[in-house]
Amino acid sequence: SSELTQDPAVSVALGQTVRITCQGDSLRIYYATWYQQKPGQAPVLVIYGKNNRPSGIPDRFSGSTSGNTASLTITGAQAEDEAEYYCQSRDSSDNHPYVFGTGTKVTVL
Amino acid sequence: QVQLQESGPGLVKPSETLSLTCTVSGGSISSYYWTWIRQPPGKGLEWIGYIYYSGSTNYNPSLKSRVTISLDTSKTHFSLELSSVTAADTAVYYCARCIAVAGNHPYWYFDFWGRGTLVTVSS
Repeated sequence: SSELTQDPAVSVALGQTVRITCQGDSLRIYYATWYQQKPGQAPVLVIYGKNNRPSGIPDRFSGSTSGNTASLTITGAQAEDEAEYYCQSRDSSDNHPYVFGTGTKVTVL
Repeated sequence: QVQLQESGPGLVKPSETLSLTCTVSGGSISSYYWTWIRQPPGKGLEWIGYIYYSGSTNYNPSLKSRVTISLDTSKTHFSLELSSVTAADTAVYYCARCIAVAGNHPYWYFDFWGRGTLVTVSS
């Protein structure tokens, strides 16, 4: 079972800001990584490390961490941002090196 | 640009062994963790395991007794074997490259992914 908890779904009006959260004890030690997945496609890396974006990811995507909660913020959401978002980190018990969050479906209205 | 491509049978019978290969092109296999991840239909992502370019492996404890990941000696592809499959193993299987970053707050990220291949377990 996943040790990273995400809200199942959030919605945001076009052009507005949405924050997606990921909670887990391991996030006090390890940074979270964030992926975007659209239906029928492989996940795409959007944020890694403290707040790094791969080439090609718009700067409206940003990441942050506070305590046991990591956040992905989309500032000025666009229609193409509608997707499932997963956080990923490491298991705090070290028995399960990599764990994914439960996923958040973002709907852009 | 690194590219990964999964290949293998799309249908496996219950109790048999699922075998997939991931071909890596456009970059070296050295210095990375090569990973398998799966996603059952309509569900979330599950890490299966990785092989480091040196050959060391690490598996999801829930699958460890059934999983083997190997690296081809030519180091152009790596493979997954999952034995004694059941319907619960039906999923899209992805291969991905993982980068590990050390520091005060270590992290790991999967920067390149294959497109995924659907494997159905059914008689």
